[in-house]
Amino acid sequence: DVKVTQSSRYLVKRTGEKVFLECVQDMDHENMFWYRQDPGLGLRLIYFSYDVKMKEKGDIPEGYSVSREKKERFSLILESASTNQTSMYLCASSPLQGSYQPQHFGDGTRLSIL
Amino acid sequence: GDSVTQMEGPVTLSEEAFLTINCTYTATGYPSLFWYVQYPGEGLQLLLKATKADDKGSNKGFEATYRKETTSFHLEKGSVQVSDSAVYFCALPLSGAGSYQLTFGKGTKLSVIP
Repeated sequence: DVKVTQSSRYLVKRTGEKVFLECVQDMDHENMFWYRQDPGLGLRLIYFSYDVKMKEKGDIPEGYSVSREKKERFSLILESASTNQTSMYLCASSPLQGSYQPQHFGDGTRLSIL
Repeated sequence: GDSVTQMEGPVTLSEEAFLTINCTYTATGYPSLFWYVQYPGEGLQLLLKATKADDKGSNKGFEATYRKETTSFHLEKGSVQVSDSAVYFCALPLSGAGSYQLTFGKGTKLSVIP
């Protein structure tokens, strides 16, 4: 089974801090994704990556950046955390042939910015 | 553009009741279609999928049929259990090169009471 592991289930940080959310997958997938999930808004794509050192903006990239130095690891960075970034963050991965293949999700990180 | 519309919840049913969650889509061509489930405190899991018209995806007693005439992919289960309480998401790949990205419906929360 594909395993997508997010480093923290719960995280509390303060406004202005630089925050790192880590995600690791063990199935050699080319594609990796970061979403945020908010009540009433569903899932919104922040960034995705289809290869090492490659990244593409999703629907809501403002205030975020990403890093993919190794194929199995995709990090989401909040450069200067703000309270409106309090949310559930979900990481996902999928193989290169995306259109027939589902995405596999981690358990999520619930981030609170105080 | 490509999009998914699913019925808004929340939906509350008694145990052993019949479940239908409606999902309609707008897309170029005939993409794969997915249903995901999110149990409390967890990430999304693939529930079932269909890759072409008239395909029926099934898993854990849930079924959905890919109907191109009505552009629908409704989720059904004949007899729900308390353990089916979760949020359900319909999703399809965005058209375009690679089709890496999925677009999700906003989710339907199901509560099953004993």
